[in-house]
Amino acid sequence: QKEVEQDPGPLSVPEGAIVSLNCTYSNSAFQYFMWYRQYSRKGPELLMYTYSSGNKEDGRFTAQVDKSSKYISLFIRDSQPSDSATYLCAMSPTGGFKTIFGAGTRLFVKA
Amino acid sequence: DVKVTQSSRYLVKRTGEKVFLECVQDMDHENMFWYRQDPGLGLRLIYFSYDVKMKEKGDIPEGYSVSREKKERFSLILESASTNQTSMYLCASSPVGTVDEQYFGPGTRLTVT
Repeated sequence: QKEVEQDPGPLSVPEGAIVSLNCTYSNSAFQYFMWYRQYSRKGPELLMYTYSSGNKEDGRFTAQVDKSSKYISLFIRDSQPSDSATYLCAMSPTGGFKTIFGAGTRLFVKA
Repeated sequence: DVKVTQSSRYLVKRTGEKVFLECVQDMDHENMFWYRQDPGLGLRLIYFSYDVKMKEKGDIPEGYSVSREKKERFSLILESASTNQTSMYLCASSPVGTVDEQYFGPGTRLTVT
């Protein structure tokens, strides 16, 4: 079983929809939770960063962490065609140097 | 803005060749990483360096070595390229004290024939 599981999609939604992207994990030592966005033929870019449990909001993006369920989510409100990309969840334990990445979910937002 | 550059976007090499992938970052970051990205497997850490001349093995170091002679430059070396090393290679860097806010380069798509 992988340490981090992420549905590869693809996920196709109409413009303006609310998008929910999710990851589950098995290692209870994870404390830092990240979401990266990767456009085609580009490197990943850090989108959201959360420590421990709770919610974090940045514009149209909201990251949620539920450590009791070992489940993290990224919500995108009012999705735009420019949001079309692969979204990677990532997580790491305190004091470690190894970040574990999910395989990524491909998102298509149709105009 | 942090900038991480990689020497080549696309590279085609033959089996058995020695391959050098170069990465340079311009933000004075202490930490640098090399990953490979394969469909369905996500990013897997090959090597990590937290200082000049310092390195740590990641999850899949076999068949690879690294060199960090200067703070801004981190090289990945495939000693004898094999077809199963065909992949996207991504370099990243992060500031001291955090490995979580990583800044990635554009990647090198390596094909070994």
